[in-house]
Amino acid sequence: EAGVVQSPRYKIIEKKQPVAFWCNPISGHNTLYWYLQNLGQGPELLIRYENEEAVDDSQLPKDRFSAERLKGVDSTLKIQPAELGDSAVYLCASSRSDPYEQYFGPGTRLTVT
Amino acid sequence: DAKTTQPNSMESNEEEPVHLPCNHSTISGTDYIHWYRQLPSQGPEYVIHGLTSNVNNRMASLAIAEDRKSSTLILHRATLRDAAVYYCILAGGTSYGKLTFGQGTILTVHP
Repeated sequence: EAGVVQSPRYKIIEKKQPVAFWCNPISGHNTLYWYLQNLGQGPELLIRYENEEAVDDSQLPKDRFSAERLKGVDSTLKIQPAELGDSAVYLCASSRSDPYEQYFGPGTRLTVT
Repeated sequence: DAKTTQPNSMESNEEEPVHLPCNHSTISGTDYIHWYRQLPSQGPEYVIHGLTSNVNNRMASLAIAEDRKSSTLILHRATLRDAAVYYCILAGGTSYGKLTFGQGTILTVHP
């Protein structure tokens, strides 16, 4: 089965510019997660979706970050405007019935200059 | 969230067994013990999880102490491909569905 697909793999933008990341989860996985991973650290959950509903977005900085999962499949994470401190890897993951057996995509490495 | 403690790094030789320890003295009765690993430039990969009994799968074995305050991930024959960061995570109960990653253990495998 195909894995979690993320694009782009790499993105370089100037500060104050907007940026968007796209994720296509594994077919049949109802739960989708966005994580942020800073260099040398473990991933941190930003938001979790059950189908179209964001059930946990407590760690999402809502002043500049937004996410959507239309039709309960693909998802987009947006940052507007980006700041230097947003440079990190953004990971998408999905799961089926067991929320602890998550399948991760390769991530998008964002560099803000 | 209950906290886990892992060594920062460990080394092993290829084809030898590796025992990766994790301490979790504040584990609650509903917490499962999960292990993920992250290879360089990839997203984390699920390895194994358990509650009380030891668990085996094609990738590894998980040995859980009787008091559940510690656990050990066992790779029976390390390969170069096993070089990764290994994360021990407690999850369950009130933190349903949430994985909180720490800094993990960097495993180096020597040929």
